[in-house]
Amino acid sequence: QKEVEQDPGPLSVPEGAIVSLNCTYSNSAFQYFMWYRQYSRKGPELLMYTYSSGNKEDGRFTAQVDKSSKYISLFIRDSQPSDSATYLCAGGQAGTALIFGKGTTLSVSS
Amino acid sequence: NAGVMQNPRHLVRRRGQEARLRCSPMKGHSHVYWYRQLPEEGLKFMVYLQKENIIDESGMPKERFSAEFPKEGPSILRIQQVVRGDSAAYFCASSPPSLRFNSGNTIYFGEGSWLTVV
Repeated sequence: QKEVEQDPGPLSVPEGAIVSLNCTYSNSAFQYFMWYRQYSRKGPELLMYTYSSGNKEDGRFTAQVDKSSKYISLFIRDSQPSDSATYLCAGGQAGTALIFGKGTTLSVSS
Repeated sequence: NAGVMQNPRHLVRRRGQEARLRCSPMKGHSHVYWYRQLPEEGLKFMVYLQKENIIDESGMPKERFSAEFPKEGPSILRIQQVVRGDSAAYFCASSPPSLRFNSGNTIYFGEGSWLTVV
């Protein structure tokens, strides 16, 4: 079983829609969780990070972590065409490297 | 404040040659991570280093691949006797010794090095 599972999509939504991106993980030791956005032929760009369970909001983006069910979510409100990218979730713990899901490709049409 | 710098951005090698990819971490960061990304796949962890020390190389192929992060200079990922299957994007990330999420001190990636083996 992979440590971080993520539906690769693709996911297509109209502009203005609310987008929900989800991951599950298997390693109970994960302490922190990250979401990165990656445009084609570019490096991953850090979007959100959370430590332990709970919600974190930043502008149109909300990250949620539920450690009891090992579930990670990223919500994008009022999605824009510029949000079209691949979204990567990752989990990690102190002293180790981040483990990534395969990424979900999102397309927002105008 | 410069970000994580990787070079070369694009590298073409013939089968059997050596590839050397370099990574300079962000200022103040002493930990470096290397990942490989194949088309339509996610980031696969390869190796985690701090200066003069390999912390975790569990994702590194046993043969032909090596990594170092010397006291001075960039981290280097070296691939000897490249084969077509090594063609991929190689990403480097860096972090401070202790992650401080509240202050934004976390893990940042470079723009990647694209290796093509012909």
